[in-house]
Amino acid sequence: EPEVTQTPSHQVTQMGQEVILRCVPISNHLYFYWYRQILGQKVEFLVSFYNNEISEKSEIFDDQFSVERPDGSNFTLKIRSTKLEDSAMYFCASNPDRGYGYTFGSGTRLTVV
Amino acid sequence: GIQVEQSPPDLILQEGANSTLRCNFSDSVNNLQWFHQNPWGQLINLFYIPSGTKQNGRLSATTVATERYSLLYISSSQTTDSGVYFCAVAAGTASKLTFGTGTRLQVTL
Repeated sequence: EPEVTQTPSHQVTQMGQEVILRCVPISNHLYFYWYRQILGQKVEFLVSFYNNEISEKSEIFDDQFSVERPDGSNFTLKIRSTKLEDSAMYFCASNPDRGYGYTFGSGTRLTVV
Repeated sequence: GIQVEQSPPDLILQEGANSTLRCNFSDSVNNLQWFHQNPWGQLINLFYIPSGTKQNGRLSATTVATERYSLLYISSSQTTDSGVYFCAVAAGTASKLTFGTGTRLQVTL
């Protein structure tokens, strides 16, 4: 069964550093997403990406965050200057179109120290 | 935005018992999925079920879209069923999923 692949699985970074989280969505999917989950809390939407541009973003997705699809397969989330409160599990997901089921990656656990 | 409520918040079962988890949502949806988050934090898709009934082994789910709720049934529970179960919906014509707060299930021997 096709998978969404995320790397790295764990990342520890110092406050103020930039981090890039990487994802390879399923190849024939059109919509790509980033979600995050702070420890013990529910999963929150960050951003959706369609046709090489952001289609929707949440209030969490401020100027510190950016997304990019640099080639035909990778989808990245960049946090420019990490804060302690950015520590969370970050999930990438994709689906073929609106109204279709999502496939989530295994997540990247980001710890900011 | 759409509201998603799950009940119960916590559930403790003995191995072999059956359970029903509920998800209520406040608006019409084009997508509803049930996920199991395992102890390693991975989100495992259980069902894509915006309407109707599906079964997969010991698990089944029913969504009554007109009444805005979905139920997840777990039969003959096993310790490996432990974890958090999330319901997530996409409202109207939106693509993003809104998650509920989850049901934490613990299955004991």
